[in-house]
Amino acid sequence: KQEVTQIPAALSVPEGENLVLNCSFTDSAIYNLQWFRQDPGKGLTSLLLIQSSQREQTSGRLNASLDKSSGRSTLYIAASQPGDSATYLCAVGTGNQFYFGTGTSLTVIP
Amino acid sequence: GAVVSQHPSWVICKSGTSVKIECRSLDFQATTMFWYRQFPKQSLMLMATSNEGSKATYEQGVEKDKFLINHASLTLSTLTVTSAHPEDSSFYICSARGERAVTGELFFGEGSRLTVL
Repeated sequence: KQEVTQIPAALSVPEGENLVLNCSFTDSAIYNLQWFRQDPGKGLTSLLLIQSSQREQTSGRLNASLDKSSGRSTLYIAASQPGDSATYLCAVGTGNQFYFGTGTSLTVIP
Repeated sequence: GAVVSQHPSWVICKSGTSVKIECRSLDFQATTMFWYRQFPKQSLMLMATSNEGSKATYEQGVEKDKFLINHASLTLSTLTVTSAHPEDSSFYICSARGERAVTGELFFGEGSRLTVL
């Protein structure tokens, strides 16, 4: 069974810093990997989707990379802002199943 | 991105009653919908996967008779919590995926918070 781990569990940074969130998975046979953001008491907002054939995707200040062979993905956030404060979840897609990590809770301090 | 609407966003009910939660894909046809449960400060736990027109596939440990899932059309799936008890109180979230089945992007509803008194 696929296991997805996210490190760190919580992160606090001053505004303006660049930061990296990590996601690792145990089975490299994946179709895609998706990063989400979740605000307290809310659903999930899709940030980036990387197909298994891709190495990275970019959207604005966000860049996600995928190294399937080593079972890792990173989400890079440039010039962090207080509005980036949320929980970030990665999900690994293996056919009809998606496996979620436990998330990284990010706090950006003004 | 695509829009998935979930209703109601919160519901309070008495123990023993049944509650229905709707999940709608507003601007695409969702061939597959997923139902998740999330406890405070924890990640999402997949409850079941439903494909339009067929029976839902439940994850191990999820009671089929308690959590009834119906996916009658390509834009609507419902989760009914039958004879709800306080331990069923949780945040329920649905997600949907369109025609690009295996590699398709997942879109989530806003979630429904159920409180059973």
